[in-house]
Amino acid sequence: GQQLNQSPQSMFIQEGEDVSMNCTSSSIFNTWLWYKQDPGEGPVLLIALYKAGELTSNGRLTAQFGITRKDSFLNISASIPSDVGIYFCAGQLQGAQKLVFGQGTRLTINP
Amino acid sequence: DTAVSQTPKYLVTQMGNDKSIKCEQNLGHDTMYWYKQDSKKFLKIMFSYNNKELIINETVPNRFSPKSPDKAHLNLHINSLELGDSAVYFCASSRGGLAGGLDGGELFFGEGSRLTVL
Repeated sequence: GQQLNQSPQSMFIQEGEDVSMNCTSSSIFNTWLWYKQDPGEGPVLLIALYKAGELTSNGRLTAQFGITRKDSFLNISASIPSDVGIYFCAGQLQGAQKLVFGQGTRLTINP
Repeated sequence: DTAVSQTPKYLVTQMGNDKSIKCEQNLGHDTMYWYKQDSKKFLKIMFSYNNKELIINETVPNRFSPKSPDKAHLNLHINSLELGDSAVYFCASSRGGLAGGLDGGELFFGEGSRLTVL
């Protein structure tokens, strides 16, 4: 249904490694967004995607809106300690007035 | 200047009590939201208001009553608190409604209000 399946749920990596996470759904989404939540804070938007196939970068972050409109991925290159946090995908169904959030990916970085 | 501010940041209370969380945004946005984040960090929408009008009420118990006195404020009142209400409640705002348009999708969140019901 409207659920977003985000994976992996958690990642433990070394500083400098690249990271990849994704979201999939059985529903078609109009918009895909990626947010990051730091401890004790609210989520902050990283990247917004509005067209199928769109590939967008924000510094070391790259995200793509899947061609089928049912998935999206987020890559982080050359991770640094401040990348630690929880990353959420979020999608807007066509005509819907709300965002549905994935379960989150908790990223931990070992220095 | 804080864009979306909510108070209090922490709230500890007994079961059965009534409590309120306030939210204000100074971004000039038309739409405001309440989200609940449970202990597993899952974010679920509760309500949204567009220009003081209720748009989304996501099958939330009627013990939860949102109130929007103007488009810059959205408060959440909870009656007869239960243990399961313990969570972090996030207020958010967006420039327009989410029904289409490139303005859609970007939510600006407050820092959250951690509610603990004992």
